[in-house]
Parts: sequence; C-alpha cells; structure tokens
Amino acid sequence: GQQVMQIPQYQHVQEGEDFTTYCNSSTTLSNIQWYKQRPGGHPVFLIQLVKSGEVKKQKRLTFQFGEAKKNSSLHITATQTTDVGTYFCAGAVYSGGGADGLTFGKGTHLIIQP
Amino acid sequence: ETGVTQTPRHLVMGMTNKKSLKCEQHLGHNAMYWYKQSAKKPLELMFVYNFKEQTENNSVPSRFSPECPNSSHLFLHLHTLQPEDSALYLCASSVRGGFSGANVLTFGAGSRLTVL
Repeated sequence: GQQVMQIPQYQHVQEGEDFTTYCNSSTTLSNIQWYKQRPGGHPVFLIQLVKSGEVKKQKRLTFQFGEAKKNSSLHITATQTTDVGTYFCAGAVYSGGGADGLTFGKGTHLIIQP
Repeated sequence: ETGVTQTPRHLVMGMTNKKSLKCEQHLGHNAMYWYKQSAKKPLELMFVYNFKEQTENNSVPSRFSPECPNSSHLFLHLHTLQPEDSALYLCASSVRGGFSGANVLTFGAGSRLTVL
C-alpha cells in the first residue's frame, strides 16, 4: 500500500533558527497536504499542494511539492515559540471519482528552545 | 470550535465494557472519517464514510464498529477492547471529490480513550 515517510522525527532548534521537514511518498500523489498539531491539540490544516513543482508561502512558512509529485517539504524561517508542535504531511491518491482517505506521515516534532 | 464536535473527550473503560464515541459535523461536508492516533504510529485511517456509505475499512478489528446514520453524524462503537487500543481517536470530515480543495480534513478535538 501507499507509504509516506517523513523526516526528521524530532527537531530541536533555538528560537530564531530555521526548520525544515521532508516528506517522501512511495507512489505519485494527486496532492499533498500539511497539517499542524499543537501539543494536546488536534491536527489543523495548513495547506494543500496540487501542481508539480508548486511552491506556496504563508508568512514564514514555505511549502514545496516536488516535480515528480512524490516528495514535499515545509520550511519555517526564523522559528518562534508559537511554531512548536508536530507537522504532518498527508498524501492523497485519487481513484475513480474521488480520493480515498489521506495517508499521513509520522510527523516531525518541532521543539524550540528559547 | 472546529465545526466537528467529538464526545466524550476522555473515556476510561474496562476490557469487557461497551461504549461509543460520537462525532457531529456542522460544515455541510459529505465525508466523515475515523482516525486513530497513538504514540508510536502515524495517524491511522480506520473508516471512511461518503454520503453515509462506508467506502473504506482499513483492516480494523471487529471490536471497533462504525455507524453513520446520516452525513452529519458518525459513531464508533467499542466492545471488548484491549489495552493496546488506548489512543486518541480523531473524527474528521471533508468535502469529498477529485477537485482542488476537496478532501481537506477538518478534525475534531478527539476522544482520548484509555482501556484498563
């Protein structure tokens, strides 16, 4: 079945440093989504990437979708304490008239030291 | 409030108990999902319902029994669970389809289940 690998599992950074998490799928994706889960919270949708080579930005967050639509990355510039949490990528593969449930990566836990 | 409400938020049950988790969405979505989140595994898709019809069952043990009476409500009935079933159970909903913007999940806050 489809697998989505995400690295690193944990990332410790000093506040103000940059952070990147990487996601790789075993199959070509229709789209990829990114979610953030704060400690004790639930996953919250951040963004969806659909096109090959797509790059999207949200303030200090930059999301990329690979040319082959099998990998993606999330980069945070100048991390802040509010960025703490777990970042998940989730890949979708369309079949027939609609997508099945998303396949999530294990997530990257971002820990920020002030 | 996310628009997806889960109850109860916390549940402790013995292995012989029968309990149910409830999920309700007020977003007009046509698909609902149950995910399991435990410490050592990624978010695991359990069940998918599209317009009340179950379209996916990811080899979930029969001690978990879903029910979707309409497109706004989803239940997960639990019976004779094992301690390893202790986890956060997340309900989600989406507009399902093959178009951009579809299949974006809105999660509820989750039901934290502990099986003794």
